[in-house]
Parts: sequence; structure tokens; C-alpha cells
Amino acid sequence: AAGVIQSPRHLIKEKRETATLKCYPIPRHDTVYWYQQGPGQDPQFLISFYEKMQSDKGSIPDRFSAQQFSDYHSELNMSSLELGDSALYFCASSLDRFNEQFFGPGTRLTVL
Amino acid sequence: QQQVKQSPQSLIVQKGGISIINCAYENTAFDYFPWYQQFPGKGPALLIAIRPDVSEKKEGRFTISFNKSAKQFSLHIMDSQPGDSATYFCAASIRRGGADGLTFGKGTHLIIQP
Repeated sequence: AAGVIQSPRHLIKEKRETATLKCYPIPRHDTVYWYQQGPGQDPQFLISFYEKMQSDKGSIPDRFSAQQFSDYHSELNMSSLELGDSALYFCASSLDRFNEQFFGPGTRLTVL
Repeated sequence: QQQVKQSPQSLIVQKGGISIINCAYENTAFDYFPWYQQFPGKGPALLIAIRPDVSEKKEGRFTISFNKSAKQFSLHIMDSQPGDSATYFCAASIRRGGADGLTFGKGTHLIIQP
């Protein structure tokens, strides 16, 4: 079965640089969620989109922004990167906004 | 303040035994409770989920027990196998407008000994 696709899988950036993470939801899924997971931590919800509109917002820093496009893929833009932004970033998708969330394999971001 | 408290932090169970992980919550507005399994370097995988209108749900070797009055829910893994060794997260969400973010527990590192 098709799963959530995230790219890139690994990303290395310097402090103060910018990064863009991409998420391609499972086909026919119209809802996307972003989570951040630090080493040994639980996933922290950042933001979600339903039908290209921001739906719910968690602990997303002001330096981060995200959007969902007409083909339902989503991008997380991260600016002025800090060392503390090093983490796994997961995208999840669901078949409409009230269904189960299925996670992608994640993007490992390392900020040096 | 952790909204979903999970215990134990780590658990060792013999092969064939029952693994039990517990979670407690304070916010009575939570109305959806999933459990996820995560292997190192991988994304969380949905195992089973429950809503407050039922007290138990079983799927294969996995069972969720839910106690609304005590604001607790637990995961039971029957006939635990070495392949079940992973980190397990309970989670909860509040149904607002939909696409609601999950609040996770701290996780339980489960080891099944052969």
C-alpha cells in the first residue's frame, strides 16, 4: 500500500540557514500534519492542513511556516535555523480531517 | 506539563508474556486515543485506537482498555514476541474543527526477551 512520502530523508544545514521539507500524503488523503521529534522525545505537533487551509496549530515556532498545495502535498519552511531545531520531522496524512493519522518515514534535520 | 502521562518508561517482558502499558490524562475534552509503535529511525505506526464510547477494543494481539471515569487507558500486547520490541506511544486529541493534532505520552521502550 502507498505510504506518506517525505523528502529529503536527511538534511544538514548550518545555523541561520533555511530549510524546506516536503510531504506527499497517501493518495486521496486531503489532510496533512507536521510533527517534530527530538532525540529520545515524543513527537510534538506543529501544524495541520485540511483542504489547503490551516486547520490546527501546535507549538510551531514563528520562524517556521507551512502550506498545503492544490495537489495536497505540503511543505514546511524553516528559517534562521538553530541548533535546537535538529530533530526528526514527521509528516502524517489522513483520509479527511476526522480519520486516523498515518505517519511518513521522517526527515532527519541536522543543524551544525 | 505533560497532558498525557505514560508508564512505565521501559519494560522488559519474556517471549509469550503479556506487555501492559498505561496512560492517564487530565483533559476530559480528549475524545480520541490512539497507540503508535515506533522502531528506531522510523515513523510512528498506528496500532489501534479507541473513542470514549467503548471500554475495550481488540485487534489481533493488541487490546486497548479504556476507563473514562478514571481517565486512564492501557495497551495490552498478548503473546509478546521479540519483533514487538519497540517504543510505544499513547496519544490523545480533542475533536475541534478536525485535523486536530495529537498529544503524545513520553513513550515506553519495550524489550521482549527470547
